[in-house]
Amino acid sequence: KAGVTQTPRYLIKTRGQQVTLSCSPISGHRSVSWYQQTPGQGLQFLFEYFSETQRNKGNFPGRFSGRQFSNSRSEMNVSTLELGDSALYLCASSRDHRGMDEQFFGPGTRLTVL
Amino acid sequence: GEDVEQSLFLSVREGDSSVINCTYTDSSSTYLYWYKQEPGAGLQLLTYIFSNMDMKQDQRLTVLLNKKDKHLSLRIADTQTGDSAIYFCAESPYSGAGSYQLTFGKGTKLSVIP
Repeated sequence: KAGVTQTPRYLIKTRGQQVTLSCSPISGHRSVSWYQQTPGQGLQFLFEYFSETQRNKGNFPGRFSGRQFSNSRSEMNVSTLELGDSALYLCASSRDHRGMDEQFFGPGTRLTVL
Repeated sequence: GEDVEQSLFLSVREGDSSVINCTYTDSSSTYLYWYKQEPGAGLQLLTYIFSNMDMKQDQRLTVLLNKKDKHLSLRIADTQTGDSAIYFCAESPYSGAGSYQLTFGKGTKLSVIP
C-alpha cells in the first residue's frame, strides 16, 4: 500500500511569490491535515480537510489556504511569501480524522524562501 | 489553552533504557501519541495510549500516563543506535465538527552513544 506522497520535496522561492504544495493521501483515506514545522515554533497545525470541506483551521494568516479534491488529494497554497514561511510542510492522512485513527505522515515539502 | 512540554535533549548509552517525558494541558484529549522523526523524514507513529489507561506496553516501548498530573512518558528498553531520532509527544483535543487536531511538543532529540 503506497504511503502519503508529497510533491515537490524541495522548493526555493523568493519573497512575494506564491507556492502550491500537493499531497496525495493513502488510498481510501478521506481526511488530510497539514502541519508546518519550523525550528522555532515546532509543529503547528494548519488545516484539515475531509470530503472536500475544510473541517478545522489553525492560527495562520489568510495567506495560507488549501483545498481538497474529490479523489481526496489536497493542495495548500501560500501567497505573498515571507521569509518566515520557510519550513517543512507535512501532510498527514487518515481514514477519518477521529481521535484514534492513526495519521500517516508524508515525508514533507521543504520550502525555502529567499 | 493547549501546550505540550518536553525536554529538548536526551543522551543515553546503547543498551540502556531511555525515558522521554512530556506534560500536556488539555484534559479532553482522548488519545495521546508518541511520534518519531528521523532526519529528512516525516513523522512515524510509534504508539498511542487511550486517556483512561495508565500504561501500555508494545515490545521495547512502554508508555506511562499520569492523568492527574497530565504527565506522559515513553520508555525505550535496550536503546539502540537506530533509535536516535527526535521524539514528539502529541495530544489530540477535539476541535468540533468531528475534527481532532494534533498538538505537538517541541520534540526530544535522543542521541544514543555506541
